[in-house]
Amino acid sequence: GQNIDQPTEMTATEGAIVQINCTYQTSGFNGLFWYQQHAGEAPTFLSYNVLDGLEEKGRFSSFLSRSKGYSYLLLKELQMKDSASYLCAVRSQNSGNTPLVFGKGTRLSVIA
Amino acid sequence: DAGVIQSPRHEVTEMGQEVTLRCKPISGHDYLFWYRQTMMRGLELLIYFNNNVPIDDSGMPEDRFSAKMPNASFSTLKIQPSEPRDSAVYFCASSERIGTQQPDTQYFGPGTRLTVL
Repeated sequence: GQNIDQPTEMTATEGAIVQINCTYQTSGFNGLFWYQQHAGEAPTFLSYNVLDGLEEKGRFSSFLSRSKGYSYLLLKELQMKDSASYLCAVRSQNSGNTPLVFGKGTRLSVIA
Repeated sequence: DAGVIQSPRHEVTEMGQEVTLRCKPISGHDYLFWYRQTMMRGLELLIYFNNNVPIDDSGMPEDRFSAKMPNASFSTLKIQPSEPRDSAVYFCASSERIGTQQPDTQYFGPGTRLTVL
């Protein structure tokens, strides 16, 4: 089977740093995505990792360890607008544009 | 580009009625995905198409659900008859061909919020 685990909710303070973890167990692996979804809106792409290591994009970074089946999304200098759900998604097959399996998402609340 | 377009944005219907959701993918995208999102189950893939051909419909919950893609710019998801447990947000997403972009990001439409009474 395939399983993706993320914390359900997190709260952090404006200006702080928060790390959202994702662990996965899939039959294969060909990339991990992070999406942001504001309440009532569609998911939007944030980051992509296919090799081990850290990918940095402005205030957001994403890390992958394939051997551990583990990723995290790091948000720095938190802003109120970062309050949203963050979805971890894994492409479990080894080739092609095959479907993503999504975690249930982590709802992040940024407080003043 | 206008992005992925879905209609209607909201649909309220009574149990037993037929519901049709519509999607227009981004021009040039060869893959189209239909998802359902609920609080309990998160975002679930229902079916996806490649070049208008259904590739995997194993996520379609039952025979009451059907999807078509008659051409590259239009797809429908139909529920007949609808039931209260079908209430959810239904998203359509599209992505480019393999190898033309890394990552092959999926772009989501705004979703249709379906309520079945």
